[in-house]
Amino acid sequence: DQQVKQNSPSLSVQEGRISILNCDYTNSMFDYFLWYKKYPAEGPTFLISISSIKDKNEDGRFTVFLNKSAKHLSLHIVPSQPGDSAVYFCADSNTGKLIFGQGTTLQVKP
Amino acid sequence: SQTIHQWPATLVQPVGSPLSLECTVEGTSNPNLYWYRQAAGRGLQLLFYSVGIGQISSEVPQNLSASRPQDRQFILSSKKLLLSDSGFYLCAWKKRREGELFFGSGTQLSVL
Repeated sequence: DQQVKQNSPSLSVQEGRISILNCDYTNSMFDYFLWYKKYPAEGPTFLISISSIKDKNEDGRFTVFLNKSAKHLSLHIVPSQPGDSAVYFCADSNTGKLIFGQGTTLQVKP
Repeated sequence: SQTIHQWPATLVQPVGSPLSLECTVEGTSNPNLYWYRQAAGRGLQLLFYSVGIGQISSEVPQNLSASRPQDRQFILSSKKLLLSDSGFYLCAWKKRREGELFFGSGTQLSVL
């Protein structure tokens, strides 16, 4: 059964510092993981993804790390900006459907 | 380019009333289509997904149903709304062999 967990409901960081958002998954099959960002009353937007054949993917200020032995992935945002304040969801894509975690609310303070 | 349209943006309905939310996708064919719900303070829960016309998979037992009468049209319905049906409903689509999901702008449903 596909499960994705984001155990930290919220995170607060200072502008310019690193934000680290974490996610754990349970599926042992080949997976493709994605991170989404969501503002209130809007649909989520895609940020970055990683295939389970890789352990790192980088796109500008965003880097996703995958630790397959621990079934854990993390999203690093460096440097963090106030506009990054939003809810971040990780998702596990398997068999055509995406299963999302509960989300982590990131607040970046100026 | 592909776009997804979802309406209405907000909806207030009394308990026991019917519901119909519509979603259409433009600029692509044979997409996978999805309905998600975000309840207050909670994550994104997959409700239904469809890989083709008339093909609906339900993820959780509930008071809702979905239909796909056309290739790029996905409808979420209920015959009688419950208070617990309140939430933010999101339609989404993706290409069959690609992982990225594209979301609509959502419908905030309040059942009173």
